[in-house]
Amino acid sequence: VQLQESGPGLVKPSETLSLTCIVSGVSISNYYWSWIRQPPGKRLEWIGNIYYSGTTNYNPSLESRVTISLDTSKNQFSLKVGSVTAADTAVYFCAGGAGWLPGFWGQGTLVTVSS
Amino acid sequence: EIVLTQSPGTLSLSPGETATLSCRASQSVRSNYLAWYQRKPGQAPRILITGASNRAAGIPDRLSGSGSGTDFTLTISRLEPEDFAVYYCQQYGSSPLTFGGGTKVEIK
Repeated sequence: VQLQESGPGLVKPSETLSLTCIVSGVSISNYYWSWIRQPPGKRLEWIGNIYYSGTTNYNPSLESRVTISLDTSKNQFSLKVGSVTAADTAVYFCAGGAGWLPGFWGQGTLVTVSS
Repeated sequence: EIVLTQSPGTLSLSPGETATLSCRASQSVRSNYLAWYQRKPGQAPRILITGASNRAAGIPDRLSGSGSGTDFTLTISRLEPEDFAVYYCQQYGSSPLTFGGGTKVEIK
């Protein structure tokens, strides 16, 4: 199983951060798919997850700005974070698992919010 | 949300020694849904332990997890060069899922 995050490494303040996770080696069906981030010098933060049925769960701290979606035809899922600030600068990981536990992860991608 | 506190922050040990890592939760972790991960620079985090004490596939028995409720431990016996990394605990029994701050195991 391989997961690969892709998307811009630099986003301007107040804009929308968009990332995609391309999944290979397993069907996106029948799993939970998560996004997790780690700001510099801080701990890992769970952003939310989506089940293959489309049901989503979000961290309340980010829920108002976050959307996670699936594209089963492309075997990938996506993250959007709106109205970003410097506090959203982080390494973003995509991950998957049979339940809520993220059992397999991508390597992560650094997204910097700066003008 | 459940806050996880890991200690110590850094553990300096020699190959062959035993590492004992602690993870303490601010409230009881439902069904002991506590996992441990290993993370190395530039690599994807690797899951080691689920359900507090169940080794994930391919994890050697030198690594063991124990504990319940609010106190959990990861023990790594006979440290090998590939064990020097950062280790995180994570609870997945309550939303939002939360992580500990990490313990770095470094070569002494």
